[in-house]
Amino acid sequence: DTAVSQTPKYLVTQMGNDKSIKCEQNLGHDTMYWYKQDSKKFLKIMFSYNNKELIINETVPNRFSPKSPDKAHLNLHINSLELGDSAVYFCASSQGLQGTDTQYFGPGTRLTVL
Amino acid sequence: AQKVTQAQTEISVVEKEDVTLDCVYETRDTTYYLFWYKQPPSGELVFLIRRNSFDEQNEISGRYSWNFQKSTSSFNFTITASQVVDSAVYFCALSLYNQGGKLIFGQGTELSVKP
Repeated sequence: DTAVSQTPKYLVTQMGNDKSIKCEQNLGHDTMYWYKQDSKKFLKIMFSYNNKELIINETVPNRFSPKSPDKAHLNLHINSLELGDSAVYFCASSQGLQGTDTQYFGPGTRLTVL
Repeated sequence: AQKVTQAQTEISVVEKEDVTLDCVYETRDTTYYLFWYKQPPSGELVFLIRRNSFDEQNEISGRYSWNFQKSTSSFNFTITASQVVDSAVYFCALSLYNQGGKLIFGQGTELSVKP
């Protein structure tokens, strides 16, 4: 059983389009995250949610809108895609958000904007 | 501000060599947590270890060992008798207590183990 899953694994699209990435975890965790890994492999947090409530919004353009329908799901919708949005997006989950809890990552979604 | 520095961008070793990956962190907080993750060529992020700021005991897990030294703000990772399967990018990360679980990552060290 996959603990944290993301779909799709690859996403290729044109500039200006809107796209979504879905994430699901079956670990029973309360907290979920989105991270962005750029072309130099640098990983940076974008959002965190705890029990469907937004906790962290790390100065991400408002073209990015996370949505958490329940605590097992955290989707990422991106409007008006730009070339600079090309990256690998990782979803993660942890039991809590106190910093002590280990985050488990999904397989990543490679987004390419043409 | 908090920061994690992995000064070694790339390391190349021959199989069976020992290799140490350096990690230096910065924080004024007294309660914090340190992590190492592995990213193999397949791309997923695999959790390796978590250490809290009050536990400076070194840890060994098979061929892997970690050395945590608060005096030098370092949390170094050693692989003994490296194998080709150890080839990956390794990330050190820091999180603080009560900061929403945010992980602050270092730049990563790409380890290449040649046969």
